[in-house]
Amino acid sequence: ETGVTQTPRHLVMGMTNKKSLKCEQHLGHNAMYWYKQSAKKPLELMFVYSLEERVENNSVPSRFSPECPNSSHLFLHLHTLQPEDSALYLCASSQQGMNTEAFFGQGTRLTVV
Amino acid sequence: EDKVVQSPLSLVVHEGDTVTLNCSYEVTNFRSLLWYKQEKKAPTFLFMLTSSGIEKKSGRLSSILDKKELFSILNITATQTGDSAVYLCAVKRTDKLIFGTGTRLQVFP
Repeated sequence: ETGVTQTPRHLVMGMTNKKSLKCEQHLGHNAMYWYKQSAKKPLELMFVYSLEERVENNSVPSRFSPECPNSSHLFLHLHTLQPEDSALYLCASSQQGMNTEAFFGQGTRLTVV
Repeated sequence: EDKVVQSPLSLVVHEGDTVTLNCSYEVTNFRSLLWYKQEKKAPTFLFMLTSSGIEKKSGRLSSILDKKELFSILNITATQTGDSAVYLCAVKRTDKLIFGTGTRLQVFP
């Protein structure tokens, strides 16, 4: 248990569906991240929220929409996804301003059909 | 463009062998280098290295950083089947972690 909880653990959705991924951290951190992990590719940083403000958006398609209502919660809203968006989506948190490690959730395995 | 390169991409060994995993990087505004172990889903933290030449050790695992040559190694001695995993190297740049592709290690009995 890393202190970062993601739900759901698995998700299968059609290309016309709308779904959301949820991440919650119990570590008192002030920065949260979404990463995408596809087969045989490095972990790709998608979004960074620091103090509940989005500070990075790595050219992610608009069909992915993040939301950070408070420092403990992070969402990734999904709509009209493509099959190539199937991947493991990992949430992480860290304490900004300190040179410490990031802690990861268990991830959501997303399959788009 | 920032990049982190790990080698080898995969490694198959027998229990008891010693392995060395490599990570080289070209990253601006370097702050630290981190190693993670990923068995199923969540990467779990192993080491953070910020200074050159100082070995960090945890049981059979050890790691060292060379900031002049821009690389790090992760050593695992007397490997066990439980060491089978993907080992990820990441470089921290301000508050952004840049990951390599990982090295997949398989340890057979």
